[in-house]
Amino acid sequence: AQTVTQSQPEMSVQEAETVTLSCTYDTSESNYYLFWYKQPPSRQMILVIRQEAYKQQNATENRFSVNFQKAAKSFSLKISDSQLGDTAMYFCAFNGGSQGNLIFGKGTKLSVKP
Amino acid sequence: DTGVSQDPRHKITKRGQNVTFRCDPISEHNRLYWYRQTLGQGPEFLTYFQNEAQLEKSRLLSDRFSAERPKGSFSTLEIQRTEQGDSAMYLCASSDSGANVLTFGAGSRLTVL
Repeated sequence: AQTVTQSQPEMSVQEAETVTLSCTYDTSESNYYLFWYKQPPSRQMILVIRQEAYKQQNATENRFSVNFQKAAKSFSLKISDSQLGDTAMYFCAFNGGSQGNLIFGKGTKLSVKP
Repeated sequence: DTGVSQDPRHKITKRGQNVTFRCDPISEHNRLYWYRQTLGQGPEFLTYFQNEAQLEKSRLLSDRFSAERPKGSFSTLEIQRTEQGDSAMYLCASSDSGANVLTFGAGSRLTVL
């Protein structure tokens, strides 16, 4: 069974600095997708970034980038120039099948401090 | 397009009562998912539909939980004989069958007294 582990329950960062959130996963599949979702307080979950496992190049979306290490089954999220609006729960998620169902980690609560 | 809509946003009920949540997906999305999220945890998959067909329901938490999507558009999630342990946020998401990206609604928060 696939599992997703986020080992950092909480993190904090100063505004304008850079922070990295960790995620590891376990799967026997060779082709899959990995995601980071953001859930602001009392607001809905939104997609931050997506990585396709067959692509070696790390995905980037503006201030958000990933470090995808397929052999190590590691998928970390780097947030550069952190902003107050980045304060949220961040969930790492895995999709390994055709169903599109996502398996989520427990999340990391990120606080950006002014 | 208004995104994924869920109703009601909050529901408070007494133990033993039945509750029903509704989800309206993005109109062009043919896949619809239900998740449960408890405090401090990531979303937990419950079931999903492709059009009106329920393709996976083994993860529904018990036989008190059921879901329908009668015409392949909106979906309902019903919990019968609610228990205090059912208190959680129930999330709906939709996607296009050709994509792996789920768009989530704001959720329906259930409190069972």
